[in-house]
Amino acid sequence: AQKITQTQPGMFVQEKEAVTLDCTYDTSDQSYGLFWYKQPSSGEMIFLIYQGSYDEQNATEGRYSLNFQKARKSANLVISASQLGDSAMYFCAMRCLNSGNTPLVFGKGTRLSVIA
Amino acid sequence: EPEVTQTPSHQVTQMGQEVILRCVPISNHLYFYWYRQILGQKVEFLVSFYNNEISEKSEIFDDQFSVERPDGSNFTLKIRSTKLEDSAMYFCASSVGSGMDEQYFGPGTRLTVT
Repeated sequence: AQKITQTQPGMFVQEKEAVTLDCTYDTSDQSYGLFWYKQPSSGEMIFLIYQGSYDEQNATEGRYSLNFQKARKSANLVISASQLGDSAMYFCAMRCLNSGNTPLVFGKGTRLSVIA
Repeated sequence: EPEVTQTPSHQVTQMGQEVILRCVPISNHLYFYWYRQILGQKVEFLVSFYNNEISEKSEIFDDQFSVERPDGSNFTLKIRSTKLEDSAMYFCASSVGSGMDEQYFGPGTRLTVT
């Protein structure tokens, strides 16, 4: 079974600063994918970034980067130059890549508040 | 940019009533999913669907739930006899393929059972 742990229920960051949202995972699968989604107060789920278990480079997408440490089973999201619009819930998720359309398993999320 | 759409955005129903939540996935996507999120909690998987059949379902997806792709575009979730604990946000998602392909989520339907 797969499990995602997000230990920070809430985080505050000053506008224009960088922030790291923690995510650790547990799986017995060798091939898996790690995802981060953003959920603003309006409720929709917005895909941010993906990291495959066999990817040697950390994923980056604009201001988002994923600090992937496979041995520690961590996949932290780094947001650089925070903006007020980054205030939202952030969910880390994973899925097994071995077979079929396996579902995403989500963590409980971290609420990020960006302060002006 | 293509997007997943869901209707209605908010549904209020009485306990014991049937509800159908509708989704239109992105047109070239082949894999479809339903998730739910009880208020303030994490997103939970309900069911996945591929090639006109259920691929996988969670323990939440009991006999009261069913899914259907009645035509080439819609993907529906039916709850036969709603319970108070079914109150949640229901998300439809779709992906081009499986595995590393990201799942695109719809805006959700907020279901309130009274």
